[in-house]
Amino acid sequence: KAGVTQTPRYLIKTRGQQVTLSCSPISGHRSVSWYQQTPGQGLQFLFEYFSETQRNKGNFPGRFSGRQFSNSRSEMNVSTLELGDSALYLCASSLGSTGGGETQYFGPGTRLLVL
Amino acid sequence: QKEVEQNSGPLSVPEGAIASLNCTYSDRGSQSFFWYRQYSGKSPELIMSIYSNGDKEDGRFTAQLNKASQYVSLLIRDSQPSDSATYLCAFFTGGGNKLTFGTGTQLKVEL
Repeated sequence: KAGVTQTPRYLIKTRGQQVTLSCSPISGHRSVSWYQQTPGQGLQFLFEYFSETQRNKGNFPGRFSGRQFSNSRSEMNVSTLELGDSALYLCASSLGSTGGGETQYFGPGTRLLVL
Repeated sequence: QKEVEQNSGPLSVPEGAIASLNCTYSDRGSQSFFWYRQYSGKSPELIMSIYSNGDKEDGRFTAQLNKASQYVSLLIRDSQPSDSATYLCAFFTGGGNKLTFGTGTQLKVEL
């Protein structure tokens, strides 16, 4: 099976712009979770989507949003970019069959640099 | 108290030695625990999962869980230079699939 794919892999934006990142989960997986990784804060949970609904949300401002499509592909959007949003954004997929607590498999990530 | 604590390292071990990585967590309700390996510039890769008290072995890796002490560890036997990476422990909190990660321990296996 193909793994989790994320596009684009690298992105450079300027402050104030917005960005959309895409994630395609492993075939058959219905849950997609997003994480932000920075040197200072480590890996932090952004949100999880299952069956096109946000099931869980981390402690990030409303500038961070996401959605999931009927084919389980997910996008996350960051509006009004700030320098501190520079990070590696990781998507993880899991089966989604048990309501939570499932093994998650990570994609390669999108590295965002905000100038 | 932090939700999860790991020694950031670096932990240096000679090739062929046993590397011991440790993680403590605060949420007594946690049931599922994971170890991920992350090479520099790459995404986390699942190494082991453990759900019950005791040891779980997979090749050169052994995960140990002690829920009473809120402690999970990873042993790597016969350490190889290719094991040099950052090891992240993680567990589920708050329902759904929200994983909480430790800050990671950097392991260096020296020739």
